[in-house]
Amino acid sequence: EVQLLESGGGLVQPGGSLRLSCAASGFTFSTYSMSWVRQAPGKGLEWVSTINGGSGSTNYADSVRGRFTISRDNSKNTLYLQMNSLRVEDTALYYCARGISSYEYWGQGTLVTVSS
Amino acid sequence: DIEMTQSPSSLSASVGDRVTITCRASQGISNYLAWYQQKPGKVPKLLIYAASTLQSGVPSRFSGSGSGTDFTLSISSLQPEDVATYYCQKYNSAPWTFGQGTKVELK
Repeated sequence: EVQLLESGGGLVQPGGSLRLSCAASGFTFSTYSMSWVRQAPGKGLEWVSTINGGSGSTNYADSVRGRFTISRDNSKNTLYLQMNSLRVEDTALYYCARGISSYEYWGQGTLVTVSS
Repeated sequence: DIEMTQSPSSLSASVGDRVTITCRASQGISNYLAWYQQKPGKVPKLLIYAASTLQSGVPSRFSGSGSGTDFTLSISSLQPEDVATYYCQKYNSAPWTFGQGTKVELK
């Protein structure tokens, strides 16, 4: 059974940093691209970033490029999102999802709140 | 970047009604389009990929069509459990943009 479990969310002040993790199980992690998608309270879904399973190449939404870094540790079956220079508008539930195209599997999400 | 525009933003329909949601891309994306259902407080669920391929386990009352710039998600006979917000997403290339969502309610 595919499982994705996010962690690392919390309350942080504007300008601060957080690192999110997504522990994967039930599939061969290294062979899949992985993505982060976020959802601000009461708002729609926003794609954030994707990392390729093989090459490790990355893509970012314009709203986070230069501030967020996606990475992965295939030996630990874990996906990461390093978030720096956080802004109030980054407040959201952050989901990890398996894939580079349509997302069949999602985690339950971890909540990031940026507030002073 | 390609923009994805859904219409309507919300709709109200009766049980048994046929419901149609439209998603329009600002440039052609072939059939690289997915549809998701998100119920309140729940994780999004993949309904359709490649514009018209039904994800395993999804009821057959859901269907998708379209190619290029214009796509539709249809529910042939609305059921109470279909109350949710529906999103389209393009995935031909980055950024993998979602539409703004369509909220479906019961009349």
